[in-house]
Amino acid sequence: DGGITQSPKYLFRKEGQNVTLSCEQNLNHDAMYWYRQDPGQGLRLIYYSQIVNDFQKGDIAEGYSVSREKKESFPLTVTSAQKNPTAFYLCASSNTRNTEAFFGQGTRLTVV
Amino acid sequence: GENVEQHPSTLSVQEGDSAVIKCTYSDSASNYFPWYKQELGKRPQLIIDIRSNVGEKKDQRIAVTLNKTAKHFSLHITETQPEDSAVYFCAAITLGGSQGNLIFGKGTKLSVKP
Repeated sequence: DGGITQSPKYLFRKEGQNVTLSCEQNLNHDAMYWYRQDPGQGLRLIYYSQIVNDFQKGDIAEGYSVSREKKESFPLTVTSAQKNPTAFYLCASSNTRNTEAFFGQGTRLTVV
Repeated sequence: GENVEQHPSTLSVQEGDSAVIKCTYSDSASNYFPWYKQELGKRPQLIIDIRSNVGEKKDQRIAVTLNKTAKHFSLHITETQPEDSAVYFCAAITLGGSQGNLIFGKGTKLSVKP
């Protein structure tokens, strides 16, 4: 289903804990993105990566960290520094030639 | 960086009517403008896109127009059907060389009343 997989689908975290969201793609895409979706806020860019071992901050990077050690993987860590982490997180990937971005199914993170 | 504004935030139409959603962008270097549809509980999916060297593109009941001078582009849906009800997002990106970041508008919730 698009070749991009996010896990888990639902995640609960206690305040003060770091948590890592997984994003894996088998589409051989160079670019990968992390978005946060809140009601009425659309899709806000957290981080993006165009190549392995390189990534750039998006509009709301504070309190988040990423790595891109492999082309297929772009995990997102939500740290305790993120003040309001409860949200729906979407990962996407695209081929620089084809341009269409494919999205994962999303992870709904809830802080309890 | 790029900023994309999208209007309206909500749109309600009667089945069979047309719907128009408008977006503006700030970065004149942006040259690719996709539109995504997100049904309730599902992931966004591409429905149509346009490049900066084209002024209009159609695919059955949907069309997109681009005005580079004014830096705005629009999605047009004709003969709307209940299954068109969803949230629609526009986006802008600069392709070529080092690919930029894909920036989305805040979305338009379209409701088609039967």
